[in-house]
Amino acid sequence: KAGVTQTPRYLIKTRGQQVTLSCSPISGHRSVSWYQQTPGQGLQFLFEYFSETQRNKGNFPGRFSGRQFSNSRSEMNVSTLELGDSALYLCASSLVDDTQYFGPGTRLTVL
Amino acid sequence: GIQVEQSPPDLILQEGANSTLRCNFSDSVNNLQWFHQNPWGQLINLFYIPSGTKQNGRLSATTVATERYSLLYISSSQTTDSGVYFCAVDGDYKLSFGAGTTVTVRA
Repeated sequence: KAGVTQTPRYLIKTRGQQVTLSCSPISGHRSVSWYQQTPGQGLQFLFEYFSETQRNKGNFPGRFSGRQFSNSRSEMNVSTLELGDSALYLCASSLVDDTQYFGPGTRLTVL
Repeated sequence: GIQVEQSPPDLILQEGANSTLRCNFSDSVNNLQWFHQNPWGQLINLFYIPSGTKQNGRLSATTVATERYSLLYISSSQTTDSGVYFCAVDGDYKLSFGAGTTVTVRA
C-alpha cells in the first residue's frame, strides 16, 4: 500500500501571500489530521477530518483552514502568511481512531 | 488538554549501549504511539501501545496506563538509531506530542 503523500514537499512564499497544501491518505483511511512543527513550539495539532467533517481544531488563528474531499484527500490553506508560519506541516491518516501514519511533510518558508 | 512530558531531553550513547526513554502523561488516554523522526522530518511509527508491552527487534515499549507512563527501550544501539523520539497520546481525535528525546549514538 502506498503511504501518505504530501505535496508540495518544499515551498517558499512571501509575507501576505496564501498557500494551499495537499495530503493524500493511505487508501481506505478516512481520518486525516494536520500538524505544524516548529523548533520553538514543537508538534502542534491543527485539525482533524473524518468523512469530510471537521471533528477537532487546534488553537490556531482563523487564517488556518482545511477541508476534506469525498475521496478522503485533504487540503489545508493558510492565508495572509506571516514569518512565524514557517514550519514543517505534517499530515497523518488513520483507518478510524487508531494508529496514525504520517506523510513526509511540506516544509514552508515564509520570507 | 493532556500534558505529555518526555525525559531525558537529550541522550548521548556509545554504539552498543542500552537506553530507556520515558513518557509521562497527565490524563487517561485512548492510545499512545511512539515515533522516530528521521533527518528529513518524517515521523516513523515505532509502536502503537495503549497498554502492555510490545517488542520489535532491538526496540521494545511498555505502557502502564493506570500509572500514566510509557517507556521505550533501545538495546544494542546503533548509529542509525540517532534522531528524535516522540511519544504522542490520543484524546479528542488528536495526538498530543511530547517535546521529544534527541538521541545521538556515537560509533
